[in-house]
Amino acid sequence: EIVLTQSPATLSLSPGERATLSCRASQSVSSYLAWYQQKPGQAPRLLIYDASNRATGIPARFSGSGSGTDFTLTISSLEPEDFAVYYCQQRSTWPPITFGQGTRLEIK
Amino acid sequence: EVQLLESGGGLEQPGGSLRLSCAASGFTFSSYVMTWVRQAPGEGLEWVSTISGTDGRTWYADSVKGRFTISRDNSKNTLFLQMNSLRAEDTAIYYCAKVRRDHDVDFDYWGRGTLVTVSS
Repeated sequence: EIVLTQSPATLSLSPGERATLSCRASQSVSSYLAWYQQKPGQAPRLLIYDASNRATGIPARFSGSGSGTDFTLTISSLEPEDFAVYYCQQRSTWPPITFGQGTRLEIK
Repeated sequence: EVQLLESGGGLEQPGGSLRLSCAASGFTFSSYVMTWVRQAPGEGLEWVSTISGTDGRTWYADSVKGRFTISRDNSKNTLFLQMNSLRAEDTAIYYCAKVRRDHDVDFDYWGRGTLVTVSS
């Protein structure tokens, strides 16, 4: 099973700042990594697939990078609606499909 | 517009059974692999089970293997999850999700979820 470890667990930033979230895989997942955003009481929303491709309708301030075992989600300038929990997910080797434990992005 | 609407959740005793449904619309249901993902209260996302579009292949998390059965009725655009021998640790919101493309198992549409509570 591929384990995904996200860091930090919580990130405290202010609107307008740049956010950098990390996801590390226990073995290579090539570029088969996705990022999701989840707000309280809502379902997850796909942001990025295959490490660096924005999903339909996702603003350009969201970008993904990385390959192999180390991945980054960057939000270039935080908007108030971006404060949420973010998860990474791998589809390289499954079953099982695995998710990271999440990073909570909170307002400072 | 793609829509996924789960139903069937509720309160069940340990050892009991529930059947979840997910009604799909807005896309060619039979063409897509579908998945159930769950989220325990205050916790992260956990993959539960996946089913292929037409050939009936299924995959399960070890935590539910032998107790849960995923199925689909392509004529009714509906996904199911039969949950037997329920345990307290099965308590969660259960989401159905559509894969983004073919067998690329990341998920571009999710339902709102249905809450399953297992408690005596």
